Amino acid sequence: EPEVTQTPSHQVTQMGQEVILRCVPISNHLYFYWYRQILGQKVEFLVSFYNNEISEKSEIFDDQFSVERPDGSNFTLKIRSTKLEDSAMYFCASDDRGPSGANVLTFGAGSRLTVL
Amino acid sequence: AQTVTQSQPEMSVQEAETVTLSCTYDTSESDYYLFWYKQPPSRQMILVIRQEAYKQQNATENRFSVNFQKAAKSFSLKISDSQLGDAAMYFCAYFGSARQLTFGSGTQLTVLP
Repeated sequence: EPEVTQTPSHQVTQMGQEVILRCVPISNHLYFYWYRQILGQKVEFLVSFYNNEISEKSEIFDDQFSVERPDGSNFTLKIRSTKLEDSAMYFCASDDRGPSGANVLTFGAGSRLTVL
Repeated sequence: AQTVTQSQPEMSVQEAETVTLSCTYDTSESDYYLFWYKQPPSRQMILVIRQEAYKQQNATENRFSVNFQKAAKSFSLKISDSQLGDAAMYFCAYFGSARQLTFGSGTQLTVLP
């Protein structure tokens, strides 16, 4: 069964450092997403990406965050200068339906980010 | 903005018994999708079941079924013949015109042997 692959599974970084989380969505999917889950809390939407540009973003997704699809397969989330409160599990997801409707979001296994 | 409410932070069920997890949501949209996702201790998000709002028939996937009440904006998950492997956090989620999943706060399900 096709799956969404995320790397790294766990990253520990110092406050103020830049972090890049990588995702390989399912190959024929068109919409890509990043969500985050702070430990013990609900899963929160960060950003969606379609046709090589940001489609929607939440208020969490401020100037410290950016996304790109550098090579047609990878989908990355960059945090420019990490803060302690960025410590969370970050989930990538992809969806194979275009703007006309939703299908099923398939989630990756997550990347756990710990900021010290 | 849509909101999803799961009023049961924790539930427990005896193995082989049936349990129902509650979810309500608030929306002004008529066309949307509802999901239940399971998150085991590995923290992977696994789709359990999906319901299209335009379909009156309740979705079913093996031991998992939903009771979708559109007018009441209620979307409960029933797990029949509960198994130890069903123990996990269960999230209800809404997907509408904003094209993003909005999750509830989750229900931690414990299955007792």
